[in-house]
Amino acid sequence: NAGVMQNPRHLVRRRGQEARLRCSPMKGHSHVYWYRQLPEEGLKFMVYLQKENIIDESGMPKERFSAEFPKEGPSILRIQQVVRGDSAAYFCASSPQGGGYEQFFGPGTRLTVL
Amino acid sequence: ELKVEQNPLFLSMQEGKNYTIYCNYSTTSDRLYWYRQDPGKSLESLFVLLSNGAVKQEGRLMASLDTKARLSTLHITAAVHDLSATYFCAVDGASGGSNYKLTFGKGTLLTVNP
Repeated sequence: NAGVMQNPRHLVRRRGQEARLRCSPMKGHSHVYWYRQLPEEGLKFMVYLQKENIIDESGMPKERFSAEFPKEGPSILRIQQVVRGDSAAYFCASSPQGGGYEQFFGPGTRLTVL
Repeated sequence: ELKVEQNPLFLSMQEGKNYTIYCNYSTTSDRLYWYRQDPGKSLESLFVLLSNGAVKQEGRLMASLDTKARLSTLHITAAVHDLSATYFCAVDGASGGSNYKLTFGKGTLLTVNP
């Protein structure tokens, strides 16, 4: 029974490049959440998705960031034209339903922007 | 806006000693979570506290919740080196309707010295 899977685990990009982070939820989970953790900080909510729907993207920067969770395949967090301030750990979590169900976290993707 | 404050942020203690980490939150919420994070790793769920007066124990860790005081504590008994990690509390935004959105404290970096 695999847990939440994220890849890549580490990603290095130069300023101006694009970063694509992937998240496969636990089996049977159709709700996905993305969080960002800056160095020595707690996690901050970015976006909540269900299959083919963005439910809440209030924590996501308005520019350069986008997220999707297609009918088939993993959820993708996309960061265009990365800047040094985007360097962080990005965690994905999933739950079987929304609305207060416990979220299970993946191992994270550590993005470094040079 | 829901705020979560943990203290202390840094805790250095000797093996065998007891200590408590505190987590205060600013608005009504019925669910509080404690997580452990080892360096470079994901979040491991420790406790989910669902109601006022809830107390849960696992090994040398005990967590409690007082929803009236908006306070949770994580008590460490007879610390051992293996407990060294960062501990986060998180609260969901139940009162605001966005009960899927976890708000995290900044974390408590616990170091247990021999």
